[in-house]
Amino acid sequence: NAGVTQTPKFRVLKTGQSMTLLCAQDMNHEYMYWYRQDPGMGLRLIHYSVGEGTTAKGEVPDGYNVSRLKKQNFLLGLESAAPSQTSVYFCASSYYVGSAGYTFGSGTRLTVV
Amino acid sequence: AQSVAQPEDQVNVAEGNPLTVKCTYSVSGNPYLFWYVQYPNRGLQFLLKYITGDNLVKGSYGFEAEFNKSQTSFHLKKPSALVSDSALYFCAVLSSNDYKLSFGAGTTVTVRA
Repeated sequence: NAGVTQTPKFRVLKTGQSMTLLCAQDMNHEYMYWYRQDPGMGLRLIHYSVGEGTTAKGEVPDGYNVSRLKKQNFLLGLESAAPSQTSVYFCASSYYVGSAGYTFGSGTRLTVV
Repeated sequence: AQSVAQPEDQVNVAEGNPLTVKCTYSVSGNPYLFWYVQYPNRGLQFLLKYITGDNLVKGSYGFEAEFNKSQTSFHLKKPSALVSDSALYFCAVLSSNDYKLSFGAGTTVTVRA
């Protein structure tokens, strides 16, 4: 099994450009999450989904949008990228509350110049 | 709201010595506690979890953690550290009435030969 796959792995954007990060999981997990990792701040939750067709805001949702049209995919969109969105983005999924934690993707390193 | 504190940004130990990485938490409801490890340019890997039961939890690679309810702590330990244990370690908490993991800021462990 591939687990959680994130594409792309690296990307450089110019300020104001848009892009979509794709997260795909093949474990039939209900819950999916997008986090950003910044030095000294750990991982902060951007958006999450508790099932196909549902999304909700996390801790730092501004400037991002998400969609969960299919159970296995969770897309993170940046409509107008800003330098403050330079970060490493991680997608994760889990089967149910209190399970063995999350399964993480390998991350997307995004630089906005 | 739930939160996690990792009071040490860095921990340095000699190979063969005991390793301890500290974590304290705050949640409403019963806590589910996790430790993850991140190697350079990689995603997060699950080490161990506490859901219920024995306060001493054993996990991967010889790591263990002790849940202390009165001190709201979940410190990670390894009796004899290896150079290969050098990595970034994250503590995370999930409330029993929620499904979103909250992460600490992370602790960088360096084990010198």
